[in-house]
Amino acid sequence: EAQVTQNPRYLITVTGKKLTVTCSQNMNHEYMSWYRQDPGLGLRQIYYSMNVEVTDKGDVPEGYKVSRKEKRNFPLILESPSPNQTSLYFCASSLRASQPQHFGDGTRLSIL
Amino acid sequence: QQQVKQSPQSLIVQKGGISIINCAYENTAFDYFPWYQQFPGKGPALLIAIRPDVSEKKEGRFTISFNKSAKQFSLHIMDSQPGDSATYFCAASIGGYNKLIFGAGTRLAVHP
Repeated sequence: EAQVTQNPRYLITVTGKKLTVTCSQNMNHEYMSWYRQDPGLGLRQIYYSMNVEVTDKGDVPEGYKVSRKEKRNFPLILESPSPNQTSLYFCASSLRASQPQHFGDGTRLSIL
Repeated sequence: QQQVKQSPQSLIVQKGGISIINCAYENTAFDYFPWYQQFPGKGPALLIAIRPDVSEKKEGRFTISFNKSAKQFSLHIMDSQPGDSATYFCAASIGGYNKLIFGAGTRLAVHP
């Protein structure tokens, strides 16, 4: 089954404790992206990757890092999480940037 | 400042009625306008999309109306069903699918 898999689905952690949210797709997609969803703001793009080793900032990249060492994986790293990063996070992928994106089911992060 | 403004925030419709969600944008360079549907606990899924060279696009019970001069577009759901109850996001982008700017979302409830 074609899918975008995020882990963990839920996480409660404390300020300053580094965490990684993994994203994996099994569709051989070139393009991958991370979004955060906040009430009243919709989804906002954090980072995206056009292909392996090619990443770029989205609209709200501050406080986040990403890497794309393999085509299927695109982890989101919070080096020193803060409460304002409490949010619902979505990973998405598409065959190419010019194709519609498939979204994962989300990761709900709570940072205390 | 939100580049894509969506209204209403929430909407209650009776089964069989018409649901209408509106979006307005500022950037005239936007050339792709999709609508996404999101069920609780799931990621957004592409529902229907339009480009500014047409004024209307219909897929089953879902229709996008596009008014280029007013910089507005709307989603109409005909014969609304309880299974349509979800959050709907409009979005816009320039040059393709990858850098989507989302509206704030509309929570639709269709009552039987």
